[in-house]
Amino acid sequence: EVQLVESGGGLVQPGGSLRLSCAASGFTLSYYAMSWVRQAPGKGLEWVSTISASGSSTYNADSVKGRFTISRDNSKNTLYLQMNSPRAEDTAVYYCAKGRTSLIAAAIDYWGQGTLVTVSS
Amino acid sequence: QSALTQPASVSGSPGQSITISCTGTSSDVGGYNYVSWYQQHPGKAPKLMMYDVSNRPSGLSDRFSGSKSGNTASLTISGLRAEDEADYYCSSYTSSSTLVFGGGTKVTVL
Repeated sequence: EVQLVESGGGLVQPGGSLRLSCAASGFTLSYYAMSWVRQAPGKGLEWVSTISASGSSTYNADSVKGRFTISRDNSKNTLYLQMNSPRAEDTAVYYCAKGRTSLIAAAIDYWGQGTLVTVSS
Repeated sequence: QSALTQPASVSGSPGQSITISCTGTSSDVGGYNYVSWYQQHPGKAPKLMMYDVSNRPSGLSDRFSGSKSGNTASLTISGLRAEDEADYYCSSYTSSSTLVFGGGTKVTVL
């Protein structure tokens, strides 16, 4: 059974830093592209970042470019999102998401339960 | 990276069919067959309902179907049921090697 379990969310001050983790199980992480998708309270889904299966390529939304970094450790079956200099508008539930295939264009077929990040002083 | 355009709400009676549209551009929906649809119930994670425009994940009811014409993709739900009441989001791959979501459509079963 595929499971994605996020951790690391919480309250962070504007300009601070936070690292989200996503523990993957039930599948071979290195075979699939992985993404982070967020959802602000009462709002819709927003794509944040995608990383290729090997980890050699990353793609980011303009809204987080230069501030957030997606990475993966396939040997530890873990996906990460390093959030630097967060802003109030980054407040959201962050979902870890598995691609259907190794293609970065692939649809997301499994989602974690989400972890809430609140950016506030 | 403008969001894809979806109607804010669509409603129908049990047993009826409804269609949700998702309009983008030739740089996303119109340019690739990488359109997917997600269902989200309140407080829950999204669930994949359709991928690559018209492919259903294994085990999903055939009451759900997808299509695309030009820059607009559509999700049709036939034989509407109470459990179909949820938010629905479309998504597409883009020419910038990014993903983009629609604003979401609230489906109400009357």
